Amino acid sequence: DVKVTQSSRYLVKRTGEKVFLECVQDMDHENMFWYRQDPGLGLRLIYFSYDVKMKEKGDIPEGYSVSREKKERFSLILESASTNQTSMYLCASSDGQVIYGYTFGSGTRLTVV
Amino acid sequence: GQQVMQIPQYQHVQEGEDFTTYCNSSTTLSNIQWYKQRPGGHPVFLIQLVKSGEVKKQKRLTFQFGEAKKNSSLHITATQTTDVGTYFCAGRKMNRDDKIIFGKGTRLHILP
Repeated sequence: DVKVTQSSRYLVKRTGEKVFLECVQDMDHENMFWYRQDPGLGLRLIYFSYDVKMKEKGDIPEGYSVSREKKERFSLILESASTNQTSMYLCASSDGQVIYGYTFGSGTRLTVV
Repeated sequence: GQQVMQIPQYQHVQEGEDFTTYCNSSTTLSNIQWYKQRPGGHPVFLIQLVKSGEVKKQKRLTFQFGEAKKNSSLHITATQTTDVGTYFCAGRKMNRDDKIIFGKGTRLHILP
């Protein structure tokens, strides 16, 4: 069964901390995505990557960066966490064949205090 | 920018009643996908529609893609408690890059 694994289910961090959210997929997918999900706002795209060492900004990249050093791993970095970054973060991957949907990870609920 | 609007935002139905959610895009789409997210879970891919006017069925779920490829609907017949969750549509742009735009979802609540 294909999998997208996010390293933490729940995370509590302090304001100003640097936060790393890790995502690993075992499907050899080329494309990976980071979303945040907030009540009433749906899924908003933060960053995405179509290849190793490649990244593109999504709709809400401010305050975030990403790293993709290996095909299977896509990391989301909060350079200096703020309370308005408290949210559910979802990683997804796809094979880019325009045939299949995205496979999502289980999500990381991040609370910044 | 391109938007995908989804209505209604919430829907309460009695168990056994039908349910429909609608999705509209401001521009023509290459294809549209539907996802289901159970409470406390993550979005799970249900189906993709590609052709103009396409209709696909999965048991009690019927998915339609409009003739102009700008709108879509998901209809559930005779809802069951297992149908509870949020249903998202997601449209892919005509340039065929892999980025899709999600609607805000319709949260379905079933009354026993």
